[in-house]
Amino acid sequence: EIVLTQSPGTLSLSPGERATLSCRASPSVTSSYLAWYQQKPGQAPRLLIYDASSRATGIPDRFSGSGSGTDFTLTISRLEPEDFAVYYCQQYGSSPLTFGGGTNVEI
Amino acid sequence: EVQLVESGGGLVQPGRSLRLSCVASGFTFHDYGMHWVRQAPGKGPEWVSGISWDSGSTGYADSVKGRFTISRDSAKKFLYLQMHSLRSEDTALYYCAKAPGGVGPSSNYFDYWGQGILVTVSS
Repeated sequence: EIVLTQSPGTLSLSPGERATLSCRASPSVTSSYLAWYQQKPGQAPRLLIYDASSRATGIPDRFSGSGSGTDFTLTISRLEPEDFAVYYCQQYGSSPLTFGGGTNVEI
Repeated sequence: EVQLVESGGGLVQPGRSLRLSCVASGFTFHDYGMHWVRQAPGKGPEWVSGISWDSGSTGYADSVKGRFTISRDSAKKFLYLQMHSLRSEDTALYYCAKAPGGVGPSSNYFDYWGQGILVTVSS
């Protein structure tokens, strides 16, 4: 099973600032099969990024993903008020599919 | 517009069974893989099970293997999760989720999610 460790657990920032979220995999993720999701309270997760760096349909370009192997990053270039939420990474290169523990981006 | 609507949840005693359903609309259901993902209160998501477009391939988390069965009725556009021998640790919000493709690792992420249905296992 691939274990995904997200850091930091909580990120306290202000609107307009840059957010950098980390997702580390052990062992490595096959073929950069890594996705990022955003979840707000009371809502289902929403797909942001797939294949480590491809933005999903309708996702603003302030969201970007990078990385491969064991180290992946989600960057939000300038935080908007609606971006304050919990973010999860998920690997789908091998079964079982696994999620990280999440990063809470708070004001 | 893609819509996924779950039903069949509720309060159930440990050891009992429950079947969850998910009705899909807004896309060609029989072309896509489908999954169940759960989220315990205050926790992150956990993948439960997935099924390919043609039901030819299924997968399960170790925590539910042998107790849960995923299936689909593509004519009716329904996804199911039959759950047996339920345990307190199965208590969670269960989401139905669509894959972006029909089968294979490259498609095992989730581009659309339902709103979830709560399953509570307690005596």
